[in-house]
Amino acid sequence: GIQVEQSPPDLILQEGANSTLRCNFSDSVNNLQWFHQNPWGQLINLFYIPSGTKQNGRLSATTVATERYSLLYISSSQTTDSGVYFCAVGALGGSQGNLIFGKGTKLSVKP
Amino acid sequence: DAGVTQSPTHLIKTRGQQVTLRCSPKSGHDTVSWYQQALGQGPQFIFQYYEEEERQRGNFPDRFSGHQFPNYSSELNVNALLLGDSALYLCASSGDNRGHLYEQYFGPGTRLTVT
Repeated sequence: GIQVEQSPPDLILQEGANSTLRCNFSDSVNNLQWFHQNPWGQLINLFYIPSGTKQNGRLSATTVATERYSLLYISSSQTTDSGVYFCAVGALGGSQGNLIFGKGTKLSVKP
Repeated sequence: DAGVTQSPTHLIKTRGQQVTLRCSPKSGHDTVSWYQQALGQGPQFIFQYYEEEERQRGNFPDRFSGHQFPNYSSELNVNALLLGDSALYLCASSGDNRGHLYEQYFGPGTRLTVT
């Protein structure tokens, strides 16, 4: 099955710093989503981005489907950005809903 | 616009017991998927329901079963609970033809503890 690798596994930043999180996947996808999991376990949708580039405030994401990777950029980080960031993909040819998750990047933003 | 809701929030059960978790999808969605998230891991796909039938299943034993109702809400049942079933159980919905068909929206989860 499709493999999803996220890097780095852990990231510690000072407030105001910028960061880039990476997601590599091993096969073609029909879905790629970035999530932020808060301390209570809620997965919050950040981007639906099987290809292309999107921006939402201080966050932006780029997926290069032909090279099988996606990047999540966080600018001017805030303490509220802390948590675990997951990349999840749906394999091309698979049914909607079967998302395969990476192991996540744990982000800690220090004041 | 109500998002995905799940109940209960927390649950404590004893080994060997049975448990039922419930999920209501986001308005406009007709597909429900269930995931199990162990501590420190990413969520793992259990199964997906569409049109009241199980459409796809992950690598989980038959102790895990489900149901979808005509109003698209869903239940996850786990029989003969094991200590290893302790996890956060997440429900996700999708299928909004007005938007991204494959985009998943998750509920807040049910944290199950088996003692």
